[in-house]
Amino acid sequence: SAVISQKPSRDICQRGTSLTIQCQVDSQVTMMFWYRQQPGQSLTLIATANQGSEATYESGFVIDKFPISRPNLTFSTLTVSNMSPEDSSIYLCSVVLGGHGGADTQYFGPGTRLTVL
Amino acid sequence: GENVEQHPSTLSVQEGDSAVIKCTYSDSASNYFPWYKQELGKRPQLIIDIRSNVGEKKDQRIAVTLNKTAKHFSLHITETQPEDSAVYFCAAHNAGNMLTFGGGTRLMVKP
Repeated sequence: SAVISQKPSRDICQRGTSLTIQCQVDSQVTMMFWYRQQPGQSLTLIATANQGSEATYESGFVIDKFPISRPNLTFSTLTVSNMSPEDSSIYLCSVVLGGHGGADTQYFGPGTRLTVL
Repeated sequence: GENVEQHPSTLSVQEGDSAVIKCTYSDSASNYFPWYKQELGKRPQLIIDIRSNVGEKKDQRIAVTLNKTAKHFSLHITETQPEDSAVYFCAAHNAGNMLTFGGGTRLMVKP
């Protein structure tokens, strides 16, 4: 398995500001994803972070609000822009690794707990 | 797109009893079904998964069954222990490597 880390682990931000979350993996991975988990809720996919090209966003999420970078196969960033209290959530990156019998298995980073005041 | 329904949303069992969580999915092309356990304040952890060419898979006290015809799959935990208390998520995976998650089940195991 891989070691997946995220920075920061948590932050408290003022509305109208932006926060960039980093995801680092200790091995090269083909696919990286960003999820949002609102308090007490399930995980919702924000976008697929594509290396060398623009991210692929899911319905309801747009690049202007959640710009994503993927400069190489071990690193990605998610920015939450112009934040409002509704953006208070846990943001998680995940990666696809081999193991457990297939290449489809997703493993999650520890998450970034964001509170917007 | 895929839609995954998960039941029940909360489940309380006595230590030593079994727990069953059920999920249904809508996309017949989905071919991989993982289960994650998320303890409070922690990341989701993969606990077991099953692929569409298999009907059942077991790992110690945990088992998963899949009925592709009916498009449903279930998680079975036997001899539950207090440390099994957590939120469990099922998910369905399609050819695009996208996971769609169920709404989650909060399992409480009473000592």
